[in-house]
Amino acid sequence: SAVISQKPSRDICQRGTSLTIQCQVDSQVTMMFWYRQQPGQSLTLIATANQGSEATYESGFVIDKFPISRPNLTFSTLTVSNMSPEDSSIYLCSVAVDSPTDTQYFGPGTRLTVL
Amino acid sequence: GNSVTQMEGPVTLSEEAFLTINCTYTATGYPSLFWYVQYPGEGLQLLLKATKADDKGSNKGFEATYRKETTSFHLEKGSVQVSDSAVYFCALRGGNQFYFGTGTSLTVIP
Repeated sequence: SAVISQKPSRDICQRGTSLTIQCQVDSQVTMMFWYRQQPGQSLTLIATANQGSEATYESGFVIDKFPISRPNLTFSTLTVSNMSPEDSSIYLCSVAVDSPTDTQYFGPGTRLTVL
Repeated sequence: GNSVTQMEGPVTLSEEAFLTINCTYTATGYPSLFWYVQYPGEGLQLLLKATKADDKGSNKGFEATYRKETTSFHLEKGSVQVSDSAVYFCALRGGNQFYFGTGTSLTVIP
């Protein structure tokens, strides 16, 4: 298994500002993911954070809006840039443990409100 | 492509009632299947999983069996408790990507 922490746990931000969310894992993992969960909705994958290379973004998400860093195998950041109220959501970091359980584990999430 | 369809909620049950939340999937190959639970104000937690056909995942009284013939992975519990109130997500892993259902909200009343 993997234990994942996220900072901040929640924040209230003003329109037009940016917020960086940190994700820390207690072990080295190859695959880290960032998801968005809007109120009452399921999870939407934003991007896969790759160590040592650019993140891979899903359709509808771009690097300028959601820049991601992955400096090592235990840490990643997601920045939500130039925020608008539509960015209000829960942002979840997750990791995939490939062996032997082939399972994805999630952080507690960051609850973002944009005014 | 890969996708997951799960029973829409919300579901409201009395304590000690039997629970079934339906989940069906579409996938190429043989994906691993999962149920995750999200308690109010928290992130997702793995509840149980199954990695091949006819496997049964179980945890905390919940069970789900990987049925390849019906492409299903229904979640069941014989006697729910108030503390089971949460949102339940069915998911599959295909390749390096995970696909989640829309979630089913369960409320258990005393």
